[in-house]
Amino acid sequence: DVKVTQSSRYLVKRTGEKVFLECVQDMDHENMFWYRQDPGLGLRLIYFSYDVKMKEKGDIPEGYSVSREKKERFSLILESASTNQTSMYLCASSPEDLTDTQYFGPGTRLTVL
Amino acid sequence: AQSVTQLDSQVPVFEEAPVELRCNYSSSVSVYLFWYVQYPNQGLQLLLKYLSGSTLVESINGFEAEFNKSQTSFHLRKPSVHISDTAEYFCAVSDRVTGGGNKLTFGTGTQLKVEL
Repeated sequence: DVKVTQSSRYLVKRTGEKVFLECVQDMDHENMFWYRQDPGLGLRLIYFSYDVKMKEKGDIPEGYSVSREKKERFSLILESASTNQTSMYLCASSPEDLTDTQYFGPGTRLTVL
Repeated sequence: AQSVTQLDSQVPVFEEAPVELRCNYSSSVSVYLFWYVQYPNQGLQLLLKYLSGSTLVESINGFEAEFNKSQTSFHLRKPSVHISDTAEYFCAVSDRVTGGGNKLTFGTGTQLKVEL
């Protein structure tokens, strides 16, 4: 069965902390994605990666960075967390083809105090 | 750039009534269209998708969506909803990215609330 796992369901951090969100997929997918989900705004793409060590900015990359050292793992990094980064973060993966489904993890609800 | 519009943020409906969730997209190229569903406290999962061929696509749980190129729409319908259909529904369009890979552009979502 297809599986995307995220390291935490809930996370509370303080302003200025460095935050790591981890995502692992077991489907050998080329593409991996990080979104944030906010009420009324839907899902907005932060960063994605179509191959190991490759990354592309999405629609809202400011304040975030990513790392993909291995094919199955895609990390989202908040260099210095701020309160406006309080959100639900969703990771997804998909095969290479444009027509393919994206598979989502359960999400991490991050609160920055 | 592609965009997706879901005009209805919330749709309340009684159980066994029909429902339509609206989705319009803008794109200058051929599109692949998706509906995803998010049940409470879960991630998103694919409901159905249009790639080519028949403009009417169906899901296993009774939803259907029709691709209408002239109206740039991909509305989601169900003739009789169940309480378990309560969820948030997202329309999305797929797009190839220069340099490699592909990505989805999502609408803002429609919260379907089914009441007894």
